[in-house]
Amino acid sequence: AQSVTQLDSQVPVFEEAPVELRCNYSSSVSVYLFWYVQYPNQGLQLLLKYLSGSTLVKSINGFEAEFNKSQTSFHLRKPSVHISDTAEYFCAVSDLSGTYKYIFGTGTRLKVLA
Amino acid sequence: GAVVSQHPSRVICKSGTSVKIECRSLDFQATTMFWYRQFPKQSLMLMATSNEGSKATYEQGVEKDKFLINHASLTLSTLTVTSAHPEDSSFYICSARGGGREAFFGQGTRLTVV
Repeated sequence: AQSVTQLDSQVPVFEEAPVELRCNYSSSVSVYLFWYVQYPNQGLQLLLKYLSGSTLVKSINGFEAEFNKSQTSFHLRKPSVHISDTAEYFCAVSDLSGTYKYIFGTGTRLKVLA
Repeated sequence: GAVVSQHPSRVICKSGTSVKIECRSLDFQATTMFWYRQFPKQSLMLMATSNEGSKATYEQGVEKDKFLINHASLTLSTLTVTSAHPEDSSFYICSARGGGREAFFGQGTRLTVV
């Protein structure tokens, strides 16, 4: 079975400051890793994903995450945040066993302060 | 990218009635569909996994007679909440997977039972 831990439930940060949202996972099999963003009363938007290849993946809006197999982590980073980045961020894993069902972390609320 | 459409986006129903939520894959054939439930300020919890033409597999603690899932075609899955009660009020999200390695999410349905 897989599990995902997002240790930080809330992360306040000032605009233009860097931010890191932590994600650790546990799995006995290989997994795919994802970060989703959710704005209030909306569905999930895929931010970035790691399926294979380069362990550093980047989104078009400046976020990046690095898959670290030895530390079983997939932390999300952005060097300079904007007010519009305020949202809930979910880390998820999907197993490769066949069902590909997603297991989500508890989420981190990023609040960008002016 | 692949598009998953969920309908309705919002629904209000009276206690004791049933409500049906549709999840459609618009530009691919979904061999597997997933249904999630999200309580306010909480993470997404997987309710069930369905494969086209077969019975859904429910996660532990999810009442199969309460949440009826039908995946009758490769592009449509439905979730029916039967005899809804206020505690069933929640945000329901579906996702669909074709033959690829990742699933794609619908925009969610906000169910309010009054």
